Amino acid sequence: AAGVIQSPRHLIKEKRETATLKCYPIPRHDTVYWYQQGPGQDPQFLISFYEKMQSDKGSIPDRFSAQQFSDYHSELNMSSLELGDSALYFCASSPRDRDRQYFGPGTRLTVT
Amino acid sequence: GESVGLHLPTLSVQEGDNSIINCAYSNSASDYFIWYKQESGKGPQFIIDIRSNMDKRQGQRVTVLLNKTVKHLSLQIAATQPGDSAVYFCAEKRGGSARQLTFGSGTQLTVLP
Repeated sequence: AAGVIQSPRHLIKEKRETATLKCYPIPRHDTVYWYQQGPGQDPQFLISFYEKMQSDKGSIPDRFSAQQFSDYHSELNMSSLELGDSALYFCASSPRDRDRQYFGPGTRLTVT
Repeated sequence: GESVGLHLPTLSVQEGDNSIINCAYSNSASDYFIWYKQESGKGPQFIIDIRSNMDKRQGQRVTVLLNKTVKHLSLQIAATQPGDSAVYFCAEKRGGSARQLTFGSGTQLTVLP
């Protein structure tokens, strides 16, 4: 069965640089969620989109922005990167009328 | 083996024994709960979920119990196998229009040979 695809899987950036993470949801899933997981921590919700519109917003820094495109893939844009942004970033997807979220393999971002 | 309390980070069980992982949730208005298994460096993998109008749901070798009176959730794994070793997270969806999940602290399950 098709799963959530995230790219890149690993990313190394320097402080103050920008990064773009991509997420391709499971086919026919129209809702995308982004989560951040620091080392040894639980995933924290950042932002979600349904039908290309932002639906919920969590603890996402103002330096981050995201969008969902017409093919339902989503991109998380991160600017002015800080050391504390180093984390695993997960994307999850679900159909609009279902609560079960399926997670991708994540992007490991390292800021040096 | 069984984890107790809010934040027991580790649970070790013998292979073949049953495991019980506990989770306390915070919001009495939460209407959906889900358990994930996460192996090191990988994404959370769906195990089982339950709605607030139920108190028990069974899957293959796993059972989730929900006690809304004390806001407690547990995951039971029967005949624990080495491949079950991972971090287990419970998560809740708070009622209303918001659909994001709020995760609890994970429990590291280690299966001993």
